Amino acid sequence: EIVMTQSPATLSVSPGERATLSCRASQSVSSNLAWYQQKPGQAPRLLIYGASTRATGIPARFSGSGSGTEFTLTISSLQSEDFAVYYCQQYNNWPSTFGQGTKVEIK
Amino acid sequence: QITLKESGPTLVKPTQTLTLTCTFSGFSLSTSGVGVGWIRQPPGKALEWLALIYWDDDKRYSPSLKSRLTITKDTSKNQVVLTMTNMDPVDTATYYCAHSTGYSDYWGQGTLVTVSS
Repeated sequence: EIVMTQSPATLSVSPGERATLSCRASQSVSSNLAWYQQKPGQAPRLLIYGASTRATGIPARFSGSGSGTEFTLTISSLQSEDFAVYYCQQYNNWPSTFGQGTKVEIK
Repeated sequence: QITLKESGPTLVKPTQTLTLTCTFSGFSLSTSGVGVGWIRQPPGKALEWLALIYWDDDKRYSPSLKSRLTITKDTSKNQVVLTMTNMDPVDTATYYCAHSTGYSDYWGQGTLVTVSS
């Protein structure tokens, strides 16, 4: 099973600032990597798939990069609605696996 | 418009079998490449894939839970059913179903299942 490790566990950021979230895979997952946003009491929302393709309706301030084992989600200018937990997921191998999440909180 | 909704009991006793139904609309599970899966999330914890069924009836299970899980589909009813045997309090979680082509672009609202005597 591929282990996905996200860092940091918590990221404190001021509104308008840039946020950079990392995700590392224990072995190569090619570009089969997705990012999700989850707010309290809600289902996850797909942000990015294929490591760098924004899902439908996702603002351009969200961008993804990386391939192989190292991936990054960048939020260029944090808005109030962006404070949430973010998960990465690899779907290159079954079982598909998620990281433990990064909580983005208001500084 | 794609929608999915989970249904099933909110409370089960230890050792009982859980049966959850995912009813969906806006897509067909007979379309090539399409899958529907189940993911769970214990309170305050991360997401965990449980099972996935594809349009061609290919089924995938979490290796750690495989002996307890069964996933089936009824294409005519637009439903996917997950059964999990021998429930334990550690199985308390919100259970989601999702439209999946590898990544999951549409999710149900989730249903909280509590395992307690």
